[in-house]
Amino acid sequence: DAGVIQSPRHEVTEMGQEVTLRCKPISGHNSLFWYRQTMMRGLELLIYFNNNVPIDDSGMPEDRFSAKMPNASFSTLKIQPSEPRDSAVYFCASSPGGGGTGELFFGEGSRLTVL
Amino acid sequence: AQRVTQPEKLLSVFKGAPVELKCNYSYSGSPELFWYVQYSRQRLQLLLRHISRESIKGFTADLNKGETSFHLKKPFAQEEDSAMYYCASRGSARQLTFGSGTQLTVLP
Repeated sequence: DAGVIQSPRHEVTEMGQEVTLRCKPISGHNSLFWYRQTMMRGLELLIYFNNNVPIDDSGMPEDRFSAKMPNASFSTLKIQPSEPRDSAVYFCASSPGGGGTGELFFGEGSRLTVL
Repeated sequence: AQRVTQPEKLLSVFKGAPVELKCNYSYSGSPELFWYVQYSRQRLQLLLRHISRESIKGFTADLNKGETSFHLKKPFAQEEDSAMYYCASRGSARQLTFGSGTQLTVLP
């Protein structure tokens, strides 16, 4: 298994543009998480899904952010419109779910720069 | 709400010296505690979990409920230990809450 796959690895865009980040979790994992990493705040949980259903989106900064998981093998995080303060590394992670060991398997991250 | 505090953003030690990365948590119940590590150009990965009481790469961490701490320790630091370390907790909600991270640099 190639692990959690994220795309794009790097994205540079201008303020006001729409940004879509993609994630393919590990096959068989029931839980999927989106995190944002910044120097100031470290890793912040944005939203997590269990069996494709959003369970907790309280970490989503504002209405400009939205996330979907149309099926067990794909999720998107969308920012519209993007702002410079959204610049960060966005991580997707998956886990087997049902509680489990608590181990998350992370993707390599998508580094977003909004000019 | 859960909160995980890592008071040091940066920590530098010399090779062979002991190292301790601090972590404090706030949770009224019985949380599960974890340490994750991110080496340069690698994915964030699990280092150890308190429930396993294991030593990984010479690192140990003891849960101290009285002090609500879960500090990560290693008696003799190595250069390859240089990385970003995140402490995390998991409560009844089942998702992980991470601290802000500590960048450890082991100097030669």
